[in-house]
Parts: sequence; C-alpha cells; structure tokens
Amino acid sequence: EPEVTQTPSHQVTQMGQEVILRCVPISNHLYFYWYRQILGQKVEFLVSFYNNEISEKSEIFDDQFSVERPDGSNFTLKIRSTKLEDSAMYFCASRKGLSNQPQHFGDGTRLSIL
Amino acid sequence: AQSVTQPDIHITVSEGASLELRCNYSYGATPYLFWYVQSPGQGLQLLLKYFSGDTLVQGIKGFEAEFKRSQSSFNLRKPSVHWSDAAEYFCAVGAGEYGNKLVFGAGTILRVKS
Repeated sequence: EPEVTQTPSHQVTQMGQEVILRCVPISNHLYFYWYRQILGQKVEFLVSFYNNEISEKSEIFDDQFSVERPDGSNFTLKIRSTKLEDSAMYFCASRKGLSNQPQHFGDGTRLSIL
Repeated sequence: AQSVTQPDIHITVSEGASLELRCNYSYGATPYLFWYVQSPGQGLQLLLKYFSGDTLVQGIKGFEAEFKRSQSSFNLRKPSVHWSDAAEYFCAVGAGEYGNKLVFGAGTILRVKS
C-alpha cells in the first residue's frame, strides 16, 4: 500500500538555525498537510497546500514557517530560525481529493532544538 | 470553534475483553469523523472514517465506531482486544471546507494486560 514517507526521522538543530523537513506524499494525491505534536500535547494543524499554494494555515504557522513543493514529488516544511519551542514531532499528510477522502500520515520527524 | 474531547487519558483492558473509547466533538455542520492509531515511534494510521450515510462504520483490525448526532459522539469499539492493540488512539474531526484540516482530541492510551 502506498505510504507517505518523511525524512529524516530525527533532526537535531541548534536554536536559530534553519531546518527543512521533507515529505514524499502518496503519488496521486493532490492535497498536502503539515501537523505538529509537541510532547504531551495534541496533534495540531499547521498548514494545508493545494495547487502549489497554501490553502489554509493556522496561527502557529507564522513568518518563520514556509512550505514548498519543489519538484512535483517532495513537499517540504522550512523553519527559518528555530526556537526551543519548535521542538516537536512534525507529521506530513496527503489526501487524494476532498470528497470522502481521508488524510494519510507519515511516520513523522522528531525535531529537537538545542 | 471545532473541538474534540477524549475524556479518558488512559484505559487498561484485559486481553480478550471488549473495548470502548469515547469521543465527543463540537462542530456546527455535519462532521467528517476519524479515528487514528499511533504505535510508539510510528505515525498516525487511519482506523476508520465517517463522512455520511450509515452511522455504524467498520474499520481495520476489527474496530468499529458509531456516529451519534444527538450525543455528538463517535465512540470506537472492539469486541475482543488483542495485546497488539496497545497504542494511543486519536479521534479527529475534519473542520473547514470539505474537512480540509483535522482537529484532534488529546488521545487515549490503551494498555492491554494479559
């Protein structure tokens, strides 16, 4: 069964550094998402992406965050200048369509900011 | 605003016993509802989904859930739990247009004792 794949599985970065989290969505899916889960807290929506543009974003998704689909297969989340509070598990998800289609998640990237 | 409540943080059941995990949601329109499961170190795996129609939905691994509009609930059930079912279970509602973003509950950790 096709899967969403995320790399790396664990990323350790110094505070203030830029980090890029990578995702390969399922190949025929059209809608892409990032969520995060801070340790001990709920999974939170960050952003949705369709047709090469952001369709919706949460309050968390401020100017430090950006997303890109650079080559038709990868979907990336960039954090420009990381803060300690960005430490979390980041999940990528993709969805084939909107009508009666669920989101399928990757295994996540654990981001640790030192 | 949309919200999901999972009142039980931890549940422990004996192997072979029945299971019910509770989920209540708050959403103005007809909800899209989901249950996901997360094993340690893994991503979110879709167990089942409700979009419309029959209020009793069947999922993978022998799970089912029933949508009750009058109670704003979408409880997950399994008649006989296996040790491999030990994991964290998340209920989610699809919010926004076509349920484009998921709002998650806090999760219920299931422990299975032999």
